[in-house]
Amino acid sequence: GNSVTQMEGPVTLSEEAFLTINCTYTATGYPSLFWYVQYPGEGLQLLLKATKADDKGSNKGFEATYRKETTSFHLEKGSVQVSDSAVYFCALNPNSGNTPLVFGKGTRLSVIA
Amino acid sequence: GAGVSQTPSNKVTEKGKYVELRCDPISGHTALYWYRQSLGQGPEFLIYFQGTGAADDSGLPNDRFFAVRPEGSVSTLKIQRTERGDSAVYLCASSLRPGQNTEAFFGQGTRLTVV
Repeated sequence: GNSVTQMEGPVTLSEEAFLTINCTYTATGYPSLFWYVQYPGEGLQLLLKATKADDKGSNKGFEATYRKETTSFHLEKGSVQVSDSAVYFCALNPNSGNTPLVFGKGTRLSVIA
Repeated sequence: GAGVSQTPSNKVTEKGKYVELRCDPISGHTALYWYRQSLGQGPEFLIYFQGTGAADDSGLPNDRFFAVRPEGSVSTLKIQRTERGDSAVYLCASSLRPGQNTEAFFGQGTRLTVV
């Protein structure tokens, strides 16, 4: 079946630190991969996505590269800010078109000044 | 509207009661999804509509859960004989069309508490 495993939080970093949140997946075929973010009091928002192997998604200084050989889609940011504090969800959409997103459990990030 | 709207934002109900949760998708979006998010977990799929019809309801946990979308826009998730284990945040999402690469836009959710 399809599943997503991401590192457990919470993750606490100082401002300007480097961030990595690991995400690995299991899927048949060639899924699309996503990172969603949930800021306090807000709904889930798409942060970035990659639709095929070796694609790099990027947005707001965050990056993730679709690695088929390691079935991974790790989220990175070179210098985090307090405003990046949120819960981050890795997700996949299987390649069968109309199937819904499959999410990981989420990783809570807290950035302190 | 500007985004996906869910009402109410919070609902407290007694065990055994019936509840309805409403979702107003983004205008023009044909695909609508319901997810359930328990504490410390990621969203779990419940049901997906394409237009008025339920294209996939494989995530509904049992027959106490039902959802409709009679005019292809607003959707209502209905839960009968609520149980304490139904307590969760219920999320709705919509997308312009179904598809692997189409972005889904989420509402802020309805937090359901069954006491």
